[in-house]
Amino acid sequence: DTGVSQNPRHKITKRGQNVTFRCDPISEHNRLYWYRQTLGQGPEFLTYFQNEAQLEKSRLLSDRFSAERPKGSFSTLEIQRTEQGDSAMYLCASSFPGQAYNEQFFGPGTRLTVL
Amino acid sequence: RKEVEQDPGPFNVPEGATVAFNCTYSNSASQSFFWYRQDCRKEPKLLMSVYSSGNEDGRFTAQLNRASQYISLLIRDSKLSDSATYLCVVISAGNNRKLIWGLGTSLAVNP
Repeated sequence: DTGVSQNPRHKITKRGQNVTFRCDPISEHNRLYWYRQTLGQGPEFLTYFQNEAQLEKSRLLSDRFSAERPKGSFSTLEIQRTEQGDSAMYLCASSFPGQAYNEQFFGPGTRLTVL
Repeated sequence: RKEVEQDPGPFNVPEGATVAFNCTYSNSASQSFFWYRQDCRKEPKLLMSVYSSGNEDGRFTAQLNRASQYISLLIRDSKLSDSATYLCVVISAGNNRKLIWGLGTSLAVNP
């Protein structure tokens, strides 16, 4: 399977714990995006990388959230001191700028439940 | 005002019906427009791009009206398998080309 992959697919944690998610984009895609989606809402932009550079962070990304893409390939999203409001689906997408319309391909998401 | 607005529905239609969704966007400088489909508990997948001249793909037709700042999706001869949430997406002006998402319109096609 050469699509975007995300791990883990599901994560249940207790409030106050730290969690880390991983995203492996399609190999030739140099742009990587993180989104958060809660029930009944569309995905909300969190942050964006071009290669290893983090070019934009949403104001939704509080100080407890950090994302990295150290080698310009896979990316991690860490949430420290989780809160119940962090419960959501975290989606990763990648794209290749050479495409005419810059379609973003999504991974299956990581569903986080904070108890 | 949200940057991208959609009627959340739900739209309940019988098989074979024609159904249309509209989506409005607030940024007149928006560059590109798409419809994504999302099945329950799955990731969004691109359904079709929306071109200025309109485009058609089988039973699906997408239109863009820049003057009124809305896009539409028309589904003809709807199938049970069309039941999903349809998300309107606008690419913002600027270098990061991030997607701005509507909340989605829920469609249920009934036998």
